[in-house]
Amino acid sequence: QSVLTQPPSVSGTPGQRVTISCSGSSSNIGSETVNWYQQLPGAAPKLLISATNQRPSGVPDRFSGSKSGTSASLAIRGLQSGDEADYYCAAWDETLNALLFGGGTKLTVL
Amino acid sequence: QVQLVQSGAEEKKPGASVNISCKASGYSFTSFYIHWVRQAPGQGLEWMGIMNPSSGRPIFSQKFQARLTMTRDTPTTTVYLGLTTLTSEDTAIYYCARSRAKYSASDYWGQGTLVTVSS
Repeated sequence: QSVLTQPPSVSGTPGQRVTISCSGSSSNIGSETVNWYQQLPGAAPKLLISATNQRPSGVPDRFSGSKSGTSASLAIRGLQSGDEADYYCAAWDETLNALLFGGGTKLTVL
Repeated sequence: QVQLVQSGAEEKKPGASVNISCKASGYSFTSFYIHWVRQAPGQGLEWMGIMNPSSGRPIFSQKFQARLTMTRDTPTTTVYLGLTTLTSEDTAIYYCARSRAKYSASDYWGQGTLVTVSS
């Protein structure tokens, strides 16, 4: 199982706001930045949020990231059908000297 | 433009080895690390290791330490992943991805290479 813990699934209706949590520990989220990736069906992962709360060029401002202590969150407002995808958090672990991924969260737009 | 282009799909027998390439272009090859991440069918992302193309030094996930190699060829700007003693559990899509530092986000990913291990 993953060291970073995400809910397996979340859902929302178009226009709603949803959040995806990512729980870790002091050696990863607690001391490093968190990155979020979106993976559409059949595609490679795409960087969504870097350095906890930075949006790469081209990512809509509907997506935002935050962190508090050893937990991080991805928020998506104004939900759209095209947002249906798997979302992964990731953070470097300074004790394991390894990159950790969350188990992934499947977002369904109802 | 930045591109990471991976080699094609592989079919292997249990016990065999596989080598996958990841050719980088459109940026300074030695300025970015290359991660290898795999995804088994219907499963999540799993980190395997990271290569510093400047030094050639890799860091491996403990899970794969014993049977994983990572090398690079600077003149061709290509990074290679080698995995030995394959089992059916190694059936997955293998991705390379670049990052500015080992803890930084991966902003570009390869298209993925499907490795199927079956007798």
